Amino acid sequence: ETGVTQSPTHLIKTRGQQVTLRCSSQSGHNTVSWYQQALGQGPQFIFQYYREEENGRGNFPPRFSGLQFPNYSSELNVNALELDDSALYLCASSFEGDRRNYGYTFGSGTRLTVV
Amino acid sequence: DQQVKQNSPSLSVQEGRISILNCDYTNSMFDYFLWYKKYPAEGPTFLISISSIKDKNEDGRFTVFLNKSAKHLSLHIVPSQPGDSAVYFCAAPNNNNDMRFGAGTRLTVKP
Repeated sequence: ETGVTQSPTHLIKTRGQQVTLRCSSQSGHNTVSWYQQALGQGPQFIFQYYREEENGRGNFPPRFSGLQFPNYSSELNVNALELDDSALYLCASSFEGDRRNYGYTFGSGTRLTVV
Repeated sequence: DQQVKQNSPSLSVQEGRISILNCDYTNSMFDYFLWYKKYPAEGPTFLISISSIKDKNEDGRFTVFLNKSAKHLSLHIVPSQPGDSAVYFCAAPNNNNDMRFGAGTRLTVKP
């Protein structure tokens, strides 16, 4: 059983550029959530995808968008990058209602630096 | 609107002693709480959870206590081991499939 895999692990982008982050969910999981973790803070919810549809969204602007594919893998796209977008981006997978008893399975994250 | 707060950014304890990590919340609608543990360069790992209908849940060396009237929960680790040194996050699922996390407490267990 594989865990959650994220790519790339590190990325440096220039302000105004666009970025795509990728996530492969754990085997058997059909729900993917994305979180942003700024330095010294806890993860903040960006959005969740379930059955290829957005299934909840946090307080992030529309330039943060996502996709989920039939194999349950997911992408996070961020347009018009700003310096404040520099953070660790975490992908978490779960199986529907399991998240309350077993929590999410997180990937190791993508460290994005915007310069 | 943070809703889940961990007011102690760090905690240091001696190996073999008890570690107590605290968490406060403001949303009385939370019906489940979870603790995650995070090592450097890794994602958070689920540790233990508790339903709001319970006041205690135990799993080996880890016990979580919930005080609903005080909107407070705590994680007890007994005995603490050097491998427990990590950042611990308290979290609660919100209505919008949004897991609300505290800012984390860095636990250091000294040999």
